[in-house]
Amino acid sequence: AQSVTQLDSHVSVSEGTPVLLRCNYSSSYSPSLFWYVQHPNKGLQLLLKYTSAATLVKGINGFEAEFKKSETSFHLTKPSAHMSDAAEYFCVVSAHQGGKLIFGQGTELSVKP
Amino acid sequence: NAGVTQTPKFQVLKTGQSMTLQCAQDMNHNSMYWYRQDPGMGLRLIYYSASEGTTDKGEVPNGYNVSRLNKREFSLRLESAAPSQTSVYFCASSEQSGELYGYTFGSGTRLTVV
Repeated sequence: AQSVTQLDSHVSVSEGTPVLLRCNYSSSYSPSLFWYVQHPNKGLQLLLKYTSAATLVKGINGFEAEFKKSETSFHLTKPSAHMSDAAEYFCVVSAHQGGKLIFGQGTELSVKP
Repeated sequence: NAGVTQTPKFQVLKTGQSMTLQCAQDMNHNSMYWYRQDPGMGLRLIYYSASEGTTDKGEVPNGYNVSRLNKREFSLRLESAAPSQTSVYFCASSEQSGELYGYTFGSGTRLTVV
């Protein structure tokens, strides 16, 4: 069965410092992996996706993630945090069943001035 | 470019009341999904419709029913609301292969059952 674990429920960084949000996955198949962002009281927006092409994936707003099969990880990074990055981030893996996706529990990112 | 539209945005129900959450997409997507979001639990799939005319249970279907009215619309019905159904509900849609393209989400319905 497929599953995803976000290793931190909350991450706090200072503006201008790097961001690292950690995600490990489990999949019996070659997975598709996604990161979504949810700003307060908003819907979810796709940040980036990995679908078996390049292992380093670039997304919107300066975010990127690296697929590491040996470590079963798909961590999200950004070199320099901005106040507008404060949001909840979800790591998502394909369920390989009817197009379904499995969501992690979310990591809340706080950015301090 | 409306994308996925959910109505209503907010709703308060009394225990035992019924209501239908509406969802419509204008992207000609085949697949549609209903999720609920609760603090610390991520998003959990309630029901999904892989294509027009089909619906299937997800992870937490108890207490809910769905209707795929046509290709555009996918509604979620609570027949007898319970406080445990207090949540934020999201509708999403995808091309046939949601696993490859990801989902487009609506802005959510915040439901409180008292």
